[in-house]
Amino acid sequence: GAVVSQHPSRVICKSGTSVKIECRSLDFQATTMFWYRQFPKKSLMLMATSNEGSKATYEQGVEKDKFLINHASLTLSTLTVTSAHPEDSSFYICSARDWGTEAFFGQGTRLTVV
Amino acid sequence: EDQVTQSPEALRLQEGESSSLNCSYTVSGLRGLFWYRQDPGKGPEFLFTLYSAGEEKEKERLKATLTKKESFLHITAPKPEDSATYLCAVQYQGGSEKLVFGKGTKLTVNP
Repeated sequence: GAVVSQHPSRVICKSGTSVKIECRSLDFQATTMFWYRQFPKKSLMLMATSNEGSKATYEQGVEKDKFLINHASLTLSTLTVTSAHPEDSSFYICSARDWGTEAFFGQGTRLTVV
Repeated sequence: EDQVTQSPEALRLQEGESSSLNCSYTVSGLRGLFWYRQDPGKGPEFLFTLYSAGEEKEKERLKATLTKKESFLHITAPKPEDSATYLCAVQYQGGSEKLVFGKGTKLTVNP
């Protein structure tokens, strides 16, 4: 299957700082990328959908100013958690797909805000 | 109300003991139903896509089936390495491209 690389896999940051997570499609063009957040024993919660070159579409309840998403190329999307707080600690996962294909997921990023 | 419900929440099997996981959905205009496997601390790994009632797909010890209201993931003679959380997701008309996930079934296969 297609490969989606997410980096970093783990990050610890201080409260009030910003953290950037990268998501790359390695062997296909990702016309659409998705960012999810996963809580223990819960479903993957979609945060936003981004199409290359367009502004991201955020799900209801997700603060767009806090979770900045950039999808500047067909192989790279970034999620920046701004002014992180302990409640932002979570497992963040990206997925990517090309037109008419299944979505493939990155390895996930465990964010801990201390 | 959840649009995608998976059962059971957790399942323990002995190696070689076949069973099925269930995914029921309430969305109308299903465009696709997806099964993923997720290991602890990892992202989901794609297994199958099903598009229409009656469709079946197989991969090694796994077989996925689809009806108008639910999907089953059958596991035949499981091995300990099949232990993981299995996630079901649907894509539906009017839901744009997003996937709506169930909470998953955590499968443990004991040797």
